[in-house]
Amino acid sequence: AQSVTQPDIHITVSEGASLELRCNYSYGATPYLFWYVQSPGQGLQLLLKYFSGDTLVQGIKGFEAEFKRSQSSFNLRKPSVHWSDAAEYFCAVGATGTASKLTFGTGTRLQVTL
Amino acid sequence: NAGVMQNPRHLVRRRGQEARLRCSPMKGHSHVYWYRQLPEEGLKFMVYLQKENIIDESGMPKERFSAEFPKEGPSILRIQQVVRGDSAAYFCASSPTKKQGADEKLFFGSGTQLSVL
Repeated sequence: AQSVTQPDIHITVSEGASLELRCNYSYGATPYLFWYVQSPGQGLQLLLKYFSGDTLVQGIKGFEAEFKRSQSSFNLRKPSVHWSDAAEYFCAVGATGTASKLTFGTGTRLQVTL
Repeated sequence: NAGVMQNPRHLVRRRGQEARLRCSPMKGHSHVYWYRQLPEEGLKFMVYLQKENIIDESGMPKERFSAEFPKEGPSILRIQQVVRGDSAAYFCASSPTKKQGADEKLFFGSGTQLSVL
């Protein structure tokens, strides 16, 4: 069965600092990988996704993520964080062939200090 | 263009009561998915429905839970005789088609927080 681990429950960074959120997955075949963001009172919004090809994927709001098969990781990065990035971030894995039946991690809550 | 609408935002029930959670997909979307997030856990897939059909209910508990997506009106997730362990955030998502792979995209609602006393 597929699974996702987000080892950091809560992260605090200063505005303008770089950010990396960790995600490790377990899946037997080539996974579909996703990062979603949830702002307070809002639904989950897709930041980016990886299906195949280039292992460095660009997303919205200046985020990127890198798929590393050897490490079973799909870490999310942003070079300079803005105060509006404060939210909860979820990594998810989907079985090959679907982007809708997903397994999510427990989330990382990002706090941004000014 | 309104997003995926879920109501109520918060629902409080006593043990043994019924909970009905509603989800109106985005306009033009005919595919609905329900996910549940238990405390301290990630979202877990429950059920996938198209209009008047349950396509995949592999994540639904075997008892007390049911879902429907009628021809008219919102999708309903129904939990009968709720227990404290049902307390969770229930998220609905919709998509316009069932394209496989890269073209497939989910749009999530903001969830219903169910609290069972």
